[in-house]
Amino acid sequence: KAGVTQTPRYLIKTRGQQVTLSCSPISGHRSVSWYQQTPGQGLQFLFEYFSETQRNKGNFPGRFSGRQFSNSRSEMNVSTLELGDSALYLCASSGPVTNTGELFFGEGSRLTVL
Amino acid sequence: AQRVTQPEKLLSVFKGAPVELKCNYSYSGSPELFWYVQYSRQRLQLLLRHISRESIKGFTADLNKGETSFHLKKPFAQEEDSAMYYCALSVIQGAQKLVFGQGTRLTINP
Repeated sequence: KAGVTQTPRYLIKTRGQQVTLSCSPISGHRSVSWYQQTPGQGLQFLFEYFSETQRNKGNFPGRFSGRQFSNSRSEMNVSTLELGDSALYLCASSGPVTNTGELFFGEGSRLTVL
Repeated sequence: AQRVTQPEKLLSVFKGAPVELKCNYSYSGSPELFWYVQYSRQRLQLLLRHISRESIKGFTADLNKGETSFHLKKPFAQEEDSAMYYCALSVIQGAQKLVFGQGTRLTINP
């Protein structure tokens, strides 16, 4: 069974630009969540999607958004990039039994904002 | 507010010695706690969860509600245990949401 796949793995953007990151969950998993990982703040929850609906959102500004498609694939978008958005963005899927707390993580997309 | 605290950023022990990684949490509800591990060049993965009361790779963790702790223990450390360990609290608000601690980097010296 293929694991969680995230693309792109690395990207460099400049301030003010926007970026879209993609995540393909494990087949059969319907929940996809996103986390931001930085050396200073650690792993922070961004949002979670289940069956194309955002079920929960972390404390991030509205520049951070996401969506989920009918095949459970998810994208997250960050607009008007700031230097502080440089981070590793991790996607995780879970299921088919929900609310177990076991997340299966991807390798992450490392974003550098210059 | 929910919070997970791992007081040690770095922990270094010798092979064969006991190891304990500390984790304290703050949560008003009934907690569900997990330990996740990230080995070098590998993905973050679940090590164990308190609800299962299991021992994985020789590690155990007991939830102490009185002390609001969920420390990870292993009686005899092995070199392959060197990794980054994260304690996480599941906040079940009708969704999958984990609150992670800052992590502890465990190094096992030969």
